[in-house]
Amino acid sequence: GAGVSQSPSNKVTEKGKDVELRCDPISGHTALYWYRQSLGQGLEFLIYFQGNSAPDKSGLPSDRFSAERTGGSVSTLTIQRTQQEDSAVYLCASSTRLAGYNEQFFGPGTRLTVL
Amino acid sequence: QQQVKQSPQSLIVQKGGISIINCAYENTAFDYFPWYQQFPGKGPALLIAIRPDVSEKKEGRFTISFNKSAKQFSLHIMDSQPGDSATYFCAARRDTGKLIFGQGTTLQVKP
Repeated sequence: GAGVSQSPSNKVTEKGKDVELRCDPISGHTALYWYRQSLGQGLEFLIYFQGNSAPDKSGLPSDRFSAERTGGSVSTLTIQRTQQEDSAVYLCASSTRLAGYNEQFFGPGTRLTVL
Repeated sequence: QQQVKQSPQSLIVQKGGISIINCAYENTAFDYFPWYQQFPGKGPALLIAIRPDVSEKKEGRFTISFNKSAKQFSLHIMDSQPGDSATYFCAARRDTGKLIFGQGTTLQVKP
């Protein structure tokens, strides 16, 4: 079956512009996560959606970052007024209650470059 | 308290050798410890995982050793192969939420 998909795969933008990154989780997965992977760094948690519960936004680095999940499926991560330090690979993952939410399935990521 | 520290940052092993990657954590509320493998241009994929009530878990050539009292866990790759060359991340999780990742280890297995 289809895995987690993310679009675009690459995004180049100018400093100060807004960007939207999209994630399509595996069908039926109720939990969705966003992480950021900077060059040479580990994966940094950003935000977590679980069903209809309020999202865990504790990892968002600033108020320029926001995310939503529509209809319990597709999610969009928005970065406003992008800065050069926002350049990174943004990874989305999803998981299912059937496996105790243990395995998070990752998409291929969106590589964001802010010039 | 939320950090997971991973070492070494990079590792070179000869084909057939044993690769060992170590991680340490502080938060005793963590209840699930996975290892993820990432190839260039791909997202991470779950390799093997362990819960703190078990001291060791083996799946094929991959083994996790877990030391609850020391708050440390490690990944051992036996008979390392060139195809194992990738970046490995340890992680920890509390309940069913976010994963806290280590900094990653880039493994190169020389033929």
